[in-house]
Formats: sequence, C-alpha cells, structure tokens
Amino acid sequence: EDQVTQSPEALRLQEGESSSLNCSYTVSGLRGLFWYRQDPGKGPEFLFTLYSAGEEKEKERLKATLTKKESFLHITAPKPEDSATYLCAAWGQTGANNLFFGTGTRLTVIP
Amino acid sequence: ETGVTQSPTHLIKTRGQQVTLRCSSQSGHNTVSWYQQALGQGPQFIFQYYREEENGRGNFPPRFSGLQFPNYSSELNVNALELDDSALYLCASSLATGGEKLFFGSGTQLSVL
Repeated sequence: EDQVTQSPEALRLQEGESSSLNCSYTVSGLRGLFWYRQDPGKGPEFLFTLYSAGEEKEKERLKATLTKKESFLHITAPKPEDSATYLCAAWGQTGANNLFFGTGTRLTVIP
Repeated sequence: ETGVTQSPTHLIKTRGQQVTLRCSSQSGHNTVSWYQQALGQGPQFIFQYYREEENGRGNFPPRFSGLQFPNYSSELNVNALELDDSALYLCASSLATGGEKLFFGSGTQLSVL
C-alpha cells in the first residue's frame, strides 16, 4: 500500500536556525515527489517537483533533495514568513492521476 | 492571469442533505482535480476531470460525483451528507493530467451537523 510519512509533525525554530523536514515514502514506481506549502485558510502552494534520486532543487531559503526512500526539505536561516505547513506528495503508478499527500510538518519560526 | 477560485468559501449543511461546490480553473488549464482535506490531515484525492470526462478516482463512494464544463470549470456534488464529510474541499487545476504541478484554490470549508 502506498504510504507517505512526514516528520516531525511540528517544528519550532528560532529565526536563523536551519533545519530539515523529512518525507519518507513507500510508493509503487515513484514518478515524482512534490513539495507544497500551505498557509492557514489557504490551499497548498507548489514549491518543487523531484523526479529521480539524487536530484536537488532550490528556491530562496529552501532546498529539496530526493533519495530512493525519502525526501528532505532543508530550510536555511529561516524567517518568520517561512512559518507554514509543508506537505510532500508522491505521484506513483497506482492511481495514475492522483498525488498521495503526507500529513505535513507545521513549521513555526520565532523572531 | 486569474488563479483558481472556489465558491462558496464556507458552508454548513445537515446530515442527509446534498451539496454542490464550484471551481473555476486557472486560465489555460484543462484539467481539474478535487481533494478532501480533513483537519490536521493532508489532502486526499477524490477525482480528476479532463476535457469534461472523469479521468481517475480515489477511494471515495459514488455519492461523490463531479462535472466539468466546456470552459473547464467544475463542480463537486456530494449526496446524502455524513458527519465525516466535514472537511476542506480543494480544487486544483493543471495543464495536464499527470505529473504536472497543481494550482490550488483556497477551498470550501464544509461543516456537516
């Protein structure tokens, strides 16, 4: 059964304190791994897509990486505006058109 | 370029009633997907529509149904509402049916009493 697990569930960081979020997946024939950011009361906002192990993508203070079993979202020197829930989602062979989301990591960055 | 818009933003229904949620896709996008997000959970795929046809369905019963119109806008209909249907319903549009990034609306918060 396809499964996506994110850890930790919640993370509090001081402004400038770098950290990483984890997304472990067991998905038949992974075709893509997506990262989204979701603010309270809003829909998810696309951040990155990773297609193969070893791939990395960066955007401002965020960098996403992918291995054969997990993906990491690294946050460097975060700011309070980075506070949000970060969701990862897997696109696999099962249910070819849908993304299978994890439950997210709720990040709070304290000034 | 207009984004994905959903209506209404909030809705309160009672158990057994029927509800229709609406979504206007982003300009130029021909594919619409619907997701259900329960409190504290990640979004769960309901179904996808491409060129007015259902193009994939998640593990949801037949009382969840949808439509897509020629202008690519979409509706989600839920019959015989149950308490567990209380959730945020998200519509997402994309340029293609698989592997493309999804552009989400802000959702419709449905409460079933």
